[in-house]
Amino acid sequence: QTVVTQEPSLTVSPGGTVTLTCASSTGAVTSGYYPNWFQQKPGQAPRPLIYSTSNKYSWTPARFSGSLLGGKAALTLSGVQPEDEAEYYCLLYYGGTWMFGGGTKLTVL
Amino acid sequence: QVQLQQSGPGLVKPSQTLSLTCAISGDSVSSNSVAWNWIRQSPSRGLEWLGRTYYRSKWYNDYAVSVRSRITINPDTSKNQFSLQLNSVTPEDTAVYYCVRDLNWAVAWWGQGTLVTVSS
Repeated sequence: QTVVTQEPSLTVSPGGTVTLTCASSTGAVTSGYYPNWFQQKPGQAPRPLIYSTSNKYSWTPARFSGSLLGGKAALTLSGVQPEDEAEYYCLLYYGGTWMFGGGTKLTVL
Repeated sequence: QVQLQQSGPGLVKPSQTLSLTCAISGDSVSSNSVAWNWIRQSPSRGLEWLGRTYYRSKWYNDYAVSVRSRITINPDTSKNQFSLQLNSVTPEDTAVYYCVRDLNWAVAWWGQGTLVTVSS
């Protein structure tokens, strides 16, 4: 049973930098897992932020970036804003199927 | 501008079949670059990818292991839409269901979501 693991919660100060990670129980996450990242606020659908590890959409704020870090997919927020407080989910591709991580609750405090 | 419009009942009885449809505008269900997915979200199970259908000279389907014995996703080229059927539902299948477009591994275009409650 494959599991995708994210930090359950993180706290960051406004203006600070935080990195969220996404690990796979099958081993190191590579570009072939096509990591996607989503932001979700209460009562809203997930909002796509990043696809294929590091690619941004036209609506993705510049302070969000994606990468591979130490065998995991990573989402870094630089210059965090209060409105970045949300749940963040990663999504990994396993050669035909996708699997979500459990999400990271990001608190901006 | 791609838009996905979901339809289907919000209440399903236990042991019956959950059926949802996703109408596509701004793209074709038969597009060779796209996969059409169903994803659900519940407090107990979080976000869960259920399956997809896609066309690459012929039709293919992939399903999550957790629902593989109960799920069918079908394209309807005449109406440019695709559907989800989930059989033998239980209260555990209560969730918000989304249809989602995946363009070259960019899982980006989501339907509005449909809350489906399984209850007698």
